Amino acid sequence: NAGVMQNPRHLVRRRGQEARLRCSPMKGHSHVYWYRQLPEEGLKFMVYLQKENIIDESGMPKERFSAEFPKEGPSILRIQQVVRGDSAAYFCASSPATGRFVTEAFFGQGTRLTVV
Amino acid sequence: AQSVAQPEDQVNVAEGNPLTVKCTYSVSGNPYLFWYVQYPNRGLQFLLKYITGDNLVKGSYGFEAEFNKSQTSFHLKKPSALVSDSALYFCAVRDGPAGNKLTFGGGTRVLVKP
Repeated sequence: NAGVMQNPRHLVRRRGQEARLRCSPMKGHSHVYWYRQLPEEGLKFMVYLQKENIIDESGMPKERFSAEFPKEGPSILRIQQVVRGDSAAYFCASSPATGRFVTEAFFGQGTRLTVV
Repeated sequence: AQSVAQPEDQVNVAEGNPLTVKCTYSVSGNPYLFWYVQYPNRGLQFLLKYITGDNLVKGSYGFEAEFNKSQTSFHLKKPSALVSDSALYFCAVRDGPAGNKLTFGGGTRVLVKP
């Protein structure tokens, strides 16, 4: 059972370009979370999605950032018109739909975005 | 709103000595608590979790954590640290079952010296 897969591992974009980060959750997982980690800082929650639904986007910047988790295919975190301050590691995590049971989330290796 | 505090940015310990990484939390409901470890340029690896039951939770790589409701703490411990334990450790809390986001502390860097 493959873990959470993120690609690309490293992404370089010029200011003003678009960045697309992909996350394939673990098999059988229907909950996806995106986190951002700035250098030497902790993880900041961005968005929580289930298939075709955004459940909590309280951590998403109001502009330029969007996320989706379509019925088929990976979850996508999209950053339009990137700026230098968007340079960070972006981590995706997934967990199964277990109702009232509490499980840990499993993390991918992250995508390191560098804006030049 | 839920929050987690890790009061120490860095913990230094000699190999073979006990290791403690501190974590306190704040939630409105029942706390579900987690510890993760991050090695350089890697993702987070799950170490252990507290859901209910015994206050002492045992996890991976010889780590354990003690849940203390009155002090709202969930400190990570290892009786005898290894150099390979040097990494960034994150405490996280979720105030409900699956479907609620994990909120992370700022992380504590552990340096184990030979």
